[in-house]
Amino acid sequence: NAGVTQTPKFQVLKTGQSMTLQCAQDMNHEYMSWYRQDPGMGLRLIHYSVGAGITDQGEVPNGYNVSRSTTEDFPLRLLSAAPSQTSVYFCASSYLAVGAYEQYFGPGTRLTVT
Amino acid sequence: GIQVEQSPPDLILQEGANSTLRCNFSDSVNNLQWFHQNPWGQLINLFYIPSGTKQNGRLSATTVATERYSLLYISSSQTTDSGVYFCAVYSWGKLQFGAGTQVVVTP
Repeated sequence: NAGVTQTPKFQVLKTGQSMTLQCAQDMNHEYMSWYRQDPGMGLRLIHYSVGAGITDQGEVPNGYNVSRSTTEDFPLRLLSAAPSQTSVYFCASSYLAVGAYEQYFGPGTRLTVT
Repeated sequence: GIQVEQSPPDLILQEGANSTLRCNFSDSVNNLQWFHQNPWGQLINLFYIPSGTKQNGRLSATTVATERYSLLYISSSQTTDSGVYFCAVYSWGKLQFGAGTQVVVTP
């Protein structure tokens, strides 16, 4: 299993540009989520999904869109990038069965918005 | 939402020393995980420990869910243990992270 994969590893955008961060998992996990990590603030939840076709907002959803058309993929879209979105983005996945909530994280995408 | 507090925020250890990191949480949780973020930014799963005690080499963890805390023990620390240790709790469909403990192990 490749686990959770993310692309790209690094990205530089100009203010106002849009882009999509890709996340895929091959473990047949129902639950997928996106976090951002800023210095000294730990990880904060952006959006999450409990299955194909179902998404919901996390703690910091503004400026981001998600969709979940398949179990494997959960892309994160930045509609109009802002410098405040400069961060490291992590995707995670897990099963949803009771007692099986262990989260697996991807390697991260480092995004800089100038 | 649930609050997760980690202590201490920073820890400097000499190689070979032992240490204990603490994670307190404000409400009942379905699970708890400990992660190590290495200096290259990778998040590494250490323990999935909703309750009880687990050991993995020089690391061990204990969660007392009824008292809402978890402890991570590092024994005989090595320079490769440096990084940030995060505690995260799963509650009502979301994983909530603490702010982390920055650990520096000096030779």
